[in-house]
Amino acid sequence: GAGVSQSPSNKVTEKGKDVELRCDPISGHTALYWYRQSLGQGLEFLIYFQGNSAPDKSGLPSDRFSAERTGGSVSTLTIQRTQQEDSAVYLCASSLSSGGFQPQHFGDGTRLSIL
Amino acid sequence: DQQVKQNSPSLSVQEGRISILNCDYTNSMFDYFLWYKKYPAEGPTFLISISSIKDKNEDGRFTVFLNKSAKHLSLHIVPSQPGDSAVYFCAARAGGGNKLTFGTGTQLKVEL
Repeated sequence: GAGVSQSPSNKVTEKGKDVELRCDPISGHTALYWYRQSLGQGLEFLIYFQGNSAPDKSGLPSDRFSAERTGGSVSTLTIQRTQQEDSAVYLCASSLSSGGFQPQHFGDGTRLSIL
Repeated sequence: DQQVKQNSPSLSVQEGRISILNCDYTNSMFDYFLWYKKYPAEGPTFLISISSIKDKNEDGRFTVFLNKSAKHLSLHIVPSQPGDSAVYFCAARAGGGNKLTFGTGTQLKVEL
């Protein structure tokens, strides 16, 4: 499809395990964002990639969280040694170049449950 | 410190009537405001935006109003339809950056 694609759609794992979440942005979109939504909360910014620039990691909650974007396209968000408070829906968005204003377009998210 | 607030967690409106969703913010550096609509198990869908230099933007049944002095914006949906039933998120962007700050959402239910 033409939209932002995320996988897996659901992930259940045990506390302490590492998880990897994948995002495939809309073709031609140079900006990519990760957010998470905990139960009853709004979306919380995690990290932002724009082209070849250094990513804005200011929203990552701890050093257990990391993300990379290979070849300016697909991105992977990794959570190491997962904790129960990491349970949330992780949403990826992409947009055209951030020059001026461009709305972000979201994928359907990965629902992560930590047992 | 919640910079974008949606104080009504839910709103119920009859089909055909106007829905008004409200949002308040505290950060004077926000230069764009957006509304997103979200259905269960789907990602948010962009609806409409407004620049901080404007006070109104209209797109079909959706109009966003911005009152900078009150740090308040609202989304009007006229006429409301059952398919509009969803969670609506207000979001804002601070000038020069691209991350969005979101409110906690308002669940709109449009009843027949």
